[in-house]
Amino acid sequence: GNSVTQMEGPVTLSEEAFLTINCTYTATGYPSLFWYVQYPGEGLQLLLKATKADDKGSNKGFEATYRKETTSFHLEKGSVQVSDSAVYFCALSEGPGSNYKLTFGKGTLLTVNP
Amino acid sequence: DAGVIQSPRHEVTEMGQEVTLRCKPISGHDYLFWYRQTMMRGLELLIYFNNNVPIDDSGMPEDRFSAKMPNASFSTLKIQPSEPRDSAVYFCASSSDTTIYFGEGSWLTVV
Repeated sequence: GNSVTQMEGPVTLSEEAFLTINCTYTATGYPSLFWYVQYPGEGLQLLLKATKADDKGSNKGFEATYRKETTSFHLEKGSVQVSDSAVYFCALSEGPGSNYKLTFGKGTLLTVNP
Repeated sequence: DAGVIQSPRHEVTEMGQEVTLRCKPISGHDYLFWYRQTMMRGLELLIYFNNNVPIDDSGMPEDRFSAKMPNASFSTLKIQPSEPRDSAVYFCASSSDTTIYFGEGSWLTVV
């Protein structure tokens, strides 16, 4: 079956540091890949997505590139802010014919200190 | 669009009581999902609907849980009777393509 593996947290960084959160996946077909963010006490928000190999998703300074050869979708940001403190979830969607169910990683807690 | 709307946002109830969680999906979306989030198990898909029809309920933990979608703009998740181990955040989500949009969640505590 499909699965998503994220680097375990928590991750603690100082403001303006570089961020990488690793994500690898296992899928039988050609999934779409997502990063969702959950701020404290809130629901999940879509951060970025990529639907095919070599696509780069980007939003709010965050980027992730769909790497089929390494089955990875690592999240990066060049300079984090305190307001980026949240839990980040990597996810895949099985796509057409599989009803778009999302499979999530376990989440990575990011804390950014001033 | 207002996004996926869930109610109640917070509920505290006593063990044995019936709990009903409500969801209004984004207009035009034909898929609706119910997820549960706990510290121990992370995010779990409970059930999802396509065009108001339940497609996969294999994630529903047991017979105490039931979900309905009487029309395209409304769904309920019911727990009867509730137990303390049902305490979690329940998310409703909807989609029309590969992107799924989540509501803000219903935070349930069963004491």
